Amino acid sequence: EAGVAQSPRYKIIEKRQSVAFWCNPISGHATLYWYQQILGQGPKLLIQFQNNGVVDDSQLPKDRFSAERLKGVDSTLKIQPAKLEDSAVYLCASSPGQGRTSGNTIYFGEGSWLTVV
Amino acid sequence: KNQVEQSPQSLIILEGKNCTLQCNYTVSPFSNLRWYKQDTGRGPVSLTIMTFSENTKSNGRYTATLDADTKQSSLHITASQLSDSASYICVVKGGYNKLIFGAGTRLAVHP
Repeated sequence: EAGVAQSPRYKIIEKRQSVAFWCNPISGHATLYWYQQILGQGPKLLIQFQNNGVVDDSQLPKDRFSAERLKGVDSTLKIQPAKLEDSAVYLCASSPGQGRTSGNTIYFGEGSWLTVV
Repeated sequence: KNQVEQSPQSLIILEGKNCTLQCNYTVSPFSNLRWYKQDTGRGPVSLTIMTFSENTKSNGRYTATLDADTKQSSLHITASQLSDSASYICVVKGGYNKLIFGAGTRLAVHP
């Protein structure tokens, strides 16, 4: 079974530039998550999709971050303009459930490493 | 406030030794608790998932325990190997299917 695919793996940009990350979840997974993980910390949820609808985006800095999941499959996360504090790993994850099954495992991608200079 | 706290923050052990990582949570309502292993530069990989009624669950040399009364969980690693060097993250699923992540314990296994 193919895992969660993310690209690019690494990106270095200057502050105030824009960047976009792409995620392809495991086939058939209804739930897709974007997390931000700063070095030495646990992941922080940015946004959760259920199919192509947003379930939770309460911690997404909407003035500069946006995400979409058109057609309920692939997703993109965009940052514009980037700040130094956005340097982090952006993890995409997916799970099969409809959000109501307590035991569903969440599968993570390898992450997209962003450095803002 | 829903929180997950892990201890120790970091740990160094010798190859072949056992160790135990701790996770305390104040998440309500509680759905399940997960332990993830995150190798440097990689995404987290699930080790165990435990629901309210489960006290112990094993996955090879990893054994997780859960005490829902005291809201504590532990992850015991037996006969550690160099490949066990990683961050171990405790994640609690609460209401509205929200996941609350701990900061992780960084384990280094030395030869």
